[in-house]
Amino acid sequence: EAGVAQSPRYKIIEKRQSVAFWCNPISGHATLYWYQQILGQGPKLLIQFQNNGVVDDSQLPKDRFSAERLKGVDSTLKIQPAKLEDSAVYLCASSRTGATNEKLFFGSGTQLSVL
Amino acid sequence: KQEVTQIPAALSVPEGENLVLNCSFTDSAIYNLQWFRQDPGKGLTSLLLIQSSQREQTSGRLNASLDKSSGRSTLYIAASQPGDSATYLCAVAPFPNSGAGSYQLTFGKGTKLSVIP
Repeated sequence: EAGVAQSPRYKIIEKRQSVAFWCNPISGHATLYWYQQILGQGPKLLIQFQNNGVVDDSQLPKDRFSAERLKGVDSTLKIQPAKLEDSAVYLCASSRTGATNEKLFFGSGTQLSVL
Repeated sequence: KQEVTQIPAALSVPEGENLVLNCSFTDSAIYNLQWFRQDPGKGLTSLLLIQSSQREQTSGRLNASLDKSSGRSTLYIAASQPGDSATYLCAVAPFPNSGAGSYQLTFGKGTKLSVIP
């Protein structure tokens, strides 16, 4: 079974530039999550999708971050404009149905450096 | 607001030792607790999930316990190996909001384990 795919693996941009990350979850998984992990911290949920609908985006900085999952499969996360404090690893995860007792499967992440 | 603390932040042990990683949380009203492993430059791998009604879960050399009333969990690793070197994170899930379906895990900062050959 293929895992969660993310690209790119690394991205370096200057502040005020825009950047986009892509995620392809495990086939058949209805629920997709984007997490932000700042160095030395645990991951923080940014947004949760159930199929192509948003379930929770309460911690997404909506003035600069946006995400979509138009066909209920792959997803993109965009930052525009980026700030220095956005430097982090952006992790995508998926689960089969989104039930709270399910294990989450994580991708390897995109490491973003904002200079 | 739920807070998860993991102590120690880093741990170094010789190969073959048994070891315990600690996790504490401030709000005991949790639905489940998970232990994850994170290797450098990689995502997280779920190791064990303990439901709030359970006391422990075992997988191979790993045993996780949960004492919800005291807000504590431990991850016991038996006969440690160099391949166990990684950062171990615990995360707690709140009870599902009715109809909302949000699954917002609260993570600790992790314990970085080094097993010396």
